[in-house]
Amino acid sequence: EIVLTQSPDFQSVTPKEKVTITCRASQSIGSSLHWYQQKPDQSPKLLIKSASQSVSGVPSRFSGSGSGTDFTLTINSLEAEDAAAYYCHQSGSLPLTFGGGTKVEIK
Amino acid sequence: EVQLVESGGGLVQPGRSLRLSCTVSGFTFGDYTMSWFRQAPGKGLEWVGFIRSNTYGGTTEYAASVKGRFTISRDDSKSVAYVQMNSLKTEDTAVYYCTRYRGYIDYWGQGTLVTVSS
Repeated sequence: EIVLTQSPDFQSVTPKEKVTITCRASQSIGSSLHWYQQKPDQSPKLLIKSASQSVSGVPSRFSGSGSGTDFTLTINSLEAEDAAAYYCHQSGSLPLTFGGGTKVEIK
Repeated sequence: EVQLVESGGGLVQPGRSLRLSCTVSGFTFGDYTMSWFRQAPGKGLEWVGFIRSNTYGGTTEYAASVKGRFTISRDDSKSVAYVQMNSLKTEDTAVYYCTRYRGYIDYWGQGTLVTVSS
């Protein structure tokens, strides 16, 4: 099973700050890594697919990078509406797995 | 507009069974793999299993935690996916999400809560 280790677990950030969340895979998964945002009491929402591909309707301040085992989600110029939990997810091999999540709080 | 609507959740005793349904609209259901995920209260996301489209044999895959107890099926004529959950355990308590799976999850249902408790 591929284990995804996200960091940090929690981040408190002021608006307009840059946020960086990392996800490390226990073995190489190429670019089969995707990012989701989940706001309280809502279903998750796809933010970035295949490590770095943008998703229609997602603000351009969200971007992803990386390949192999190390991946990054970047939120440029954080907005209040970005308060949420963020999860990485790998589809490189079964079982499908997720990172433990990063909760982003707005100061 | 794409919609995935789960139903069938509720309170069930340990050892009993429950079947969840996912009714889909807004895309050609039969063309896609449908996957179920779950999220225990206050916890992260966990994959349950998926069923491939009939183009890929309609075969299923499951997480080890549910294999042998859960069965995912689909009725393409009705655009509905199911998960039959048998021998339920307290640790199966979670919100269950139905999703369209393309290697990534591009559409999620609103989720249905399953509570396993005596």
